[in-house]
Amino acid sequence: QSALTQPASVSGSPGQSITISCTGTSSDVGGYDYVSWYQQYPAKAPKLMIYEVSNRPSGVSNRFSGSKSGNTASLTISGLQAEDEADYYCSSYTSRSTQVFGTGTKVNVI
Amino acid sequence: QVQLAESGGGVVQPGRSLRLSCAASGFTFSSYGMHWVRQAPGKGLEWVAVIAYDRSNKYYADSVRGRFTISRDNSKNTLFLQMDSLRAEDTAVYYCARDSTGGNYNLGDNWGQGTLVTVSS
Repeated sequence: QSALTQPASVSGSPGQSITISCTGTSSDVGGYDYVSWYQQYPAKAPKLMIYEVSNRPSGVSNRFSGSKSGNTASLTISGLQAEDEADYYCSSYTSRSTQVFGTGTKVNVI
Repeated sequence: QVQLAESGGGVVQPGRSLRLSCAASGFTFSSYGMHWVRQAPGKGLEWVAVIAYDRSNKYYADSVRGRFTISRDNSKNTLFLQMDSLRAEDTAVYYCARDSTGGNYNLGDNWGQGTLVTVSS
């Protein structure tokens, strides 16, 4: 199972909006609405930010939103803040009943 | 609150075995699927394995199938990962993570802090 494709890095200024893409196939992202997004700070465990494409867990800022079109899912961070600087990963359920992660995206707040 | 605590990591020689544990508390462990996820130093996340709430289904990544075995003891609220025939490329921080369902659909609504496994001679 190949990793889902994410851009290596995305940059934005405070207050701006950025979008991170996550591209898979019809056997994973395109076939199921079980796409999640995680935020990870250095040397810390990942934190769930979005599940089932567009749902936010309790406690996650509404500045984070998710969507999907075809084989590509997206995470949008609006009103970018310094604390959003972190690594972000997507994941998807697959047709083999496994899970697959994206390659990861480093968000830089410049 | 939900707590997951991994243990059992350490330094091991190539070809040897290691068993990781993940102690769960703060929720009804026997109702949730559980995953293992790893992260090699400086690399991204890699899904390793999942076990359903009732042990009825287990699935593995191609990279570990046949060498790793996931199991659970619902009476002790503990998840395990038996790792055999270890290779240098298995060196990583290993996380346990809860699925928000009883199966394998929504990985990672809660994560442990991770335990480091280093495979080296």
